[in-house]
Parts: sequence; structure tokens; C-alpha cells
Amino acid sequence: DVKVTQSSRYLVKRTGEKVFLECVQDMDHENMFWYRQDPGLGLRLIYFSYDVKMKEKGDIPEGYSVSREKKERFSLILESASTNQTSMYLCASSWGARDTGELFFGEGSRLTVL
Amino acid sequence: RKEVEQDPGPFNVPEGATVAFNCTYSNSASQSFFWYRQDCRKEPKLLMSVYSSGNEDGRFTAQLNRASQYISLLIRDSKLSDSATYLCVVRNPTDKLIFGTGTRLQVFP
Repeated sequence: DVKVTQSSRYLVKRTGEKVFLECVQDMDHENMFWYRQDPGLGLRLIYFSYDVKMKEKGDIPEGYSVSREKKERFSLILESASTNQTSMYLCASSWGARDTGELFFGEGSRLTVL
Repeated sequence: RKEVEQDPGPFNVPEGATVAFNCTYSNSASQSFFWYRQDCRKEPKLLMSVYSSGNEDGRFTAQLNRASQYISLLIRDSKLSDSATYLCVVRNPTDKLIFGTGTRLQVFP
């Protein structure tokens, strides 16, 4: 079974704090993604990566950065958290050249910024 | 106009009922289509891909209408365990997956 593991299920941070969200997948997938999910807005793509050390902006990259130093790990960084970044964050991975369109998601990290 | 639109519901149906959801997409050049299921407080999981000729997986049938730019999901003989949010997903011409906001289904005894 594909396993995508997100480091924290629930986090509470204060405005201005730096936040790291870690994601690890164990299926040797080339592609990794970070989404946020908000009521009424659905899943919105923040950043994605098709290879180690490679990153591409998604639809809403402002206020976020990412790091992919190893194939299995994709980190999302909030340099200075703000209240409008309170959300559910979902990491996903998928095959590269063999991409079937199936994304494998982690369980999500619910972030509250006070 | 949103790229992918779904009726948010909720659709409240009794066990054993047949229920159908539609999803419309705006880009006629969209390449492929999927239905994902998301249980409450859980992550989305692929339910089924949608093929041009339509496809069936047990009680679930997915159809694509390219002329009218919509896809549908039909669930027959609804079970309590079918209660979830169903997400329509479309791969656009730039190869990006676009998620709808989901349709919530509640099956009651």
C-alpha cells in the first residue's frame, strides 16, 4: 500500500511564527504536491515538485515555500504564519512518467494560526 | 466561472436509493476525468476514473458527456457507508488536476 505520511495532524501557531509541514512518501513517486482545503473553495494547489530539488508554483504560492532535498520528502514552509493560513493542508504524491491521474494523499495537517 | 463546478448538496437519500451527481467543466480541451471520495475528516481517495465510453464498478457508474462538458456519477442501491463527499476532478490541458468543491451525500436508514 502507498503510504503518504504527514508529520503533524494538528498544529496551533501564533501569527508571525515559522511553520514546517513535513510529508514523506514510501512508493518512490516522482511527483509530490501540497494543497490546502477550505470549505467552499475545495482543494487548491500551493506548490508541486516533479523531481528532487525541483519545485513549481501552484495556484496560491504566496506566503509559502517548499523544499525537496530527497525524493521521498516534500516540506511546506510558512515563513511567517498569518491567520488567513488557517486551513487543512494535504500532501499528495503520484507516479511520474507512469502517471495515471491518481493522487495519493496524506491524512492532512490541520493548522490553526492565532 | 469556475473550471470545475459541482452542486454542494447535501443529497439526503434513504438506503437502497439511486442517486446521481453531475459535475460541469469549463475547458473543452480537458483530457481526463476522475471521481474521488472524501470521508469526513479524512483524505480524498480515488473512487474511479471516467472513460469516454462510460464505466461501471459495482454499484457505481461514471459517464462523460464531452458535448455538454459534464461528467456524472450514479450510485445504485445506496449504503450507509456511501455517505461521504464526492469530488469531481478534471485534468486540464496543462496537465494539472483541478478539483471541484465536492458534493456531499448522506444516506440515512
